[in-house]
Amino acid sequence: DIVMTQTPLSLSVTPGQPASISCKSSQSLLHSDGKTYLYWYLQKSGQPPQLLIYEVFNRFSGVSDRFSGSGSGTNFTLKISRVEAEDVGIYYCMQSIQLPPITFGQGTRLDIK
Amino acid sequence: QVHLVESGGGVVQPGRSLRLSCAASGFTFSSSGMHWVRQAPGKGLEWVAVIWYDGSNKFYADSVRGRFTISRDNSKNMLYLQVNSLRAEDTALYYCARDINYGGSLPDYWGQGTLVTVSS
Repeated sequence: DIVMTQTPLSLSVTPGQPASISCKSSQSLLHSDGKTYLYWYLQKSGQPPQLLIYEVFNRFSGVSDRFSGSGSGTNFTLKISRVEAEDVGIYYCMQSIQLPPITFGQGTRLDIK
Repeated sequence: QVHLVESGGGVVQPGRSLRLSCAASGFTFSSSGMHWVRQAPGKGLEWVAVIWYDGSNKFYADSVRGRFTISRDNSKNMLYLQVNSLRAEDTALYYCARDINYGGSLPDYWGQGTLVTVSS
């Protein structure tokens, strides 16, 4: 199985400041079809996960442009340009190049200072 | 608007069975793969199973293969998860999620979940 490792596991950010979360996979997520099967989700308290970013850098419908994704191969990053109170929650990276199983990172908890 | 509503969870003794259901609306159900993903209390996300849009392919996590069965009824816009031989470690909130594709690489919209508690 592909192991997804996120760092840090928690971070506390002042509103208006940037935040960055790293995700590393144990195998390359670049498929022969040219796509990279790396995704980011945010789970707010008491809510199901919501898709933020698909295929490394594509923002899902309705997602703020404060969120951006980058990376390639086995190293990926989610950045929030200016953190707002509504961004609080747990962020997960996910891979689906190898199915089964789809695997998630451990999650990174973001809170506001 | 995509709407997914899970049901069928509850408290069950180890070794018993349940059937979880997911009612889908707001999209063409018969054109989308569907997933079950679970989350143990206070823990992270664990993918459980996926079924292709037409039911032709089904894949499972090792932890549930042989005990859980995913199925769908496209005429009713319903997804199911038959969970047998339940163990304490199956205790979790079970989410159904739509796949953006015909198959199963990208869960985009998720339901609110149904809670399964396995306890004697």
